[in-house]
Amino acid sequence: AQKITQTQPGMFVQEKEAVTLDCTYDTSDPSYGLFWYKQPSSGEMIFLIYQGSYDQQNATEGRYSLNFQKARKSANLVISASQLGDSAMYFCAMREGNSYGKLTFGQGTILTVHP
Amino acid sequence: NAGVTQTPKFRILKIGQSMTLQCTQDMNHNYMYWYRQDPGMGLKLIYYSVGAGITDKGEVPNGYNVSRSTTEDFPLRLELAAPSQTSVYFCASIVGRLNTEAFFGQGTRLTVV
Repeated sequence: AQKITQTQPGMFVQEKEAVTLDCTYDTSDPSYGLFWYKQPSSGEMIFLIYQGSYDQQNATEGRYSLNFQKARKSANLVISASQLGDSAMYFCAMREGNSYGKLTFGQGTILTVHP
Repeated sequence: NAGVTQTPKFRILKIGQSMTLQCTQDMNHNYMYWYRQDPGMGLKLIYYSVGAGITDKGEVPNGYNVSRSTTEDFPLRLELAAPSQTSVYFCASIVGRLNTEAFFGQGTRLTVV
């Protein structure tokens, strides 16, 4: 069974608009962390934001915020005020508490920002 | 601070050849990982190590081997390359706590023909 599911293969957004990228996860471990990474066309993996399973507040990092709904097992990434440079592949990933730091990745969502 | 360094960046192999992908980190991280990324897909774990002398298999280990003789280095060996091993390979490391980001190398794009 998929542990991380990203159901949107591709998303389009107008520059300066907000966009939400969906991510659902599956784990029975009460201790886990959720990560979002950006992969531009150049190929490197860029860390964006982290949410821990025990965190009470939703994580925010600049224009990125994570809409964490624990009961629904979802960890959606919200990008506000989209910029052309946000066009990239975005990956949701999970690290379970007993997993020696291993990350399980979703399939990714390609975001295209239109001017 | 170099972070995680992978070499080479690109390589073309013929079927049946072998090669070693190098990975070095200078952050004194105990935990290191090798992932592969097939076109249009997410990353899948090949092997990982929790410290020098300790390695274990990930989700897709067949056709690969690793070693960890030092904290800094975690080479990935491909024996008898096959077209199915055409992929982008990423090395990553973390300091060991649950909430810390993984630092990734720049990736190695491997094509087996």
